[in-house]
Amino acid sequence: GESVGLHLPTLSVQEGDNSIINCAYSNSASDYFIWYKQESGKGPQFIIDIRSNMDKRQGQRVTVLLNKTVKHLSLQIAATQPGDSAVYFCAVGGRPSGSARQLTFGSGTQLTVLP
Amino acid sequence: EAQVTQNPRYLITVTGKKLTVTCSQNMNHEYMSWYRQDPGLGLRQIYYSMNVEVTDKGDVPEGYKVSRKEKRNFPLILESPSPNQTSLYFCASRSVYEQYFGPGTRLTVT
Repeated sequence: GESVGLHLPTLSVQEGDNSIINCAYSNSASDYFIWYKQESGKGPQFIIDIRSNMDKRQGQRVTVLLNKTVKHLSLQIAATQPGDSAVYFCAVGGRPSGSARQLTFGSGTQLTVLP
Repeated sequence: EAQVTQNPRYLITVTGKKLTVTCSQNMNHEYMSWYRQDPGLGLRQIYYSMNVEVTDKGDVPEGYKVSRKEKRNFPLILESPSPNQTSLYFCASRSVYEQYFGPGTRLTVT
């Protein structure tokens, strides 16, 4: 099976600084990785994903880095804003079977942006 | 707008009183699932469904039932709720790679 862990349960950053949130996984066969953002009182929201044939992917102000050698991925948020305050967690999945893909979720890092 | 809806959003009930949490999606996704979220444990899958009339157990299925009679609906049934089922529940639907979550149902069983 798969287990997913996050390195820090909480992270505080100054507004305007860059944030880095980390995630480690156990199954070297995992090939799909997603980062979610969950604001208080809301459901998780997709941020960015990456497949195992890539080691970096960029979105708007976010970058995901994947290191398959050490089974580690990270989410980088550039110029962190107050609206970025939320819980961030990664999900790790294996190969799809039809339309199904089992995902294992980490427990999350609470990001707090300080003014 | 792509959407997953859940009802009710909040529910307080007593041990043993059967309840159903509804879930509906408008994206014509075949795959739907239910998760519970507890502090420090992350999202854990309860049941999932790969299509109409096709359901299977996730990681923590004990005490729950589901049904999938229509593609858009995937209700979660607690036949005899117990206090250890107090949790935040999320329904989700997805295509192969994109997953959408509902807003959550906060359930308290006393």
